[in-house]
Amino acid sequence: GENVEQHPSTLSVQEGDSAVIKCTYSDSASNYFPWYKQELGKRPQLIIDIRSNVGEKKDQRIAVTLNKTAKHFSLHITETQPEDSAVYFCAATRNQFYFGTGTSLTVIP
Amino acid sequence: NAGVTQTPKFQVLKTGQSMTLQCAQDMNHEYMSWYRQDPGMGLRLIHYSVGAGITDQGEVPNGYNVSRSTTEDFPLRLLSAAPSQTSVYFCASSYGQGSGSPLHFGNGTRLTVT
Repeated sequence: GENVEQHPSTLSVQEGDSAVIKCTYSDSASNYFPWYKQELGKRPQLIIDIRSNVGEKKDQRIAVTLNKTAKHFSLHITETQPEDSAVYFCAATRNQFYFGTGTSLTVIP
Repeated sequence: NAGVTQTPKFQVLKTGQSMTLQCAQDMNHEYMSWYRQDPGMGLRLIHYSVGAGITDQGEVPNGYNVSRSTTEDFPLRLLSAAPSQTSVYFCASSYGQGSGSPLHFGNGTRLTVT
């Protein structure tokens, strides 16, 4: 099966700085890569996704990049705000969703 | 649309008891799944279903049963609860396996087994 590794496990940034979370995957057939944000005590919610035929996607302050050759993809959050503080999960999918172990992001005001 | 609805929100069981976690979706999704979330372990797949009448095991299926008699419902049964099953359980659905559509999660059930 697929193996997804996510780094770092914790990340602290100053408000206004950028945050980058990286994931690698093992199955070259994976073709869909969503990112989820989970606030404390809440359910994971989709924030952005990318398909294997696209190299980069941006939605306001959030962007995702995908390098299929190297089998890694990254989440970029610019101009971070305190409400960005949460746990972020990446996933690689073909027939199943395989999740990384999560990154706890803290934005310090 | 209510999306994915899970009940109960919280449950405390004694070791050896059985119970069923309910999950229903109103989005006509073919794919439904159950995950457990433990600190530092991410989301681990327990069981999944690609349509009514079809279920299969995920990464951590032992101690759990599922059935899918309708497209809407996908209950998770704990046969004989153990302390190792203390966790937060999420039900999630999507349009189809391999469809490139995202998972939609329910609000979760926090289960404690004493």
